[in-house]
Amino acid sequence: QVQLKESGPGLVAPSQSLSITCTVSGFSLTSYDISWIRQPPGKGLEWLGVIWTGGGTNYNSAFMSRLSISKDNSKSQVFLKMNSLQTDDTAIYYCVRDHYGSREFAYWGQGTLVTVSA
Amino acid sequence: DAVMTQTPLSLPVSLGDQASISCRSSQSLENSNGNTYLNWYLQKPGQSPQLLIYRVSNRFSGVLDRFSGSGSGTDFTLKISRVEAEDLGVYFCLQVTHVPYTFGGGTKLEIK
Repeated sequence: QVQLKESGPGLVAPSQSLSITCTVSGFSLTSYDISWIRQPPGKGLEWLGVIWTGGGTNYNSAFMSRLSISKDNSKSQVFLKMNSLQTDDTAIYYCVRDHYGSREFAYWGQGTLVTVSA
Repeated sequence: DAVMTQTPLSLPVSLGDQASISCRSSQSLENSNGNTYLNWYLQKPGQSPQLLIYRVSNRFSGVLDRFSGSGSGTDFTLKISRVEAEDLGVYFCLQVTHVPYTFGGGTKLEIK
């Protein structure tokens, strides 16, 4: 059974950095790409970036200067790190996986809410 | 970036009616490999989005045939026939042809 589960700090102070872990089960990170998507409360969805099976990454240029995605295949974990957080970074952060290899984003984690506040 | 314009913002329907949602891209979504990467999702309150349609018109596993997708190039449509209460929520389109991948703003399907 494919599962993804995000874990994050909940609250981050402005200008600080954010680290979120996506722990997956039911499949190997060597076989599927993982993307990160976020959703501010009550608003739309925004794609942040992807880590490919081979470890390469591709980022939304809007975040490229402060976003980093990495993974540990042996631990089945994918990591998102974002620097210099501001209040408009408050959002639910999701990790997602495709099914057929066509970027369908068929499987989503439950999401983790990150609030940026002093 | 490919800007995805989704209309309407809100769609009041009566149960049993057909609903239609439009998604227009600022760029053609046809890839050089000939495929068009446009997906549709439904997000129910308090839940993660769920995939309905991928690559314009392909229903994901378990999705009922009341949901259908069509379109090409820059104009795409999601149709829901015989709307049921379980269909209510916010629908999003997503293009995954061009990086960065971009979402439409969402359409809230609600009871009239």
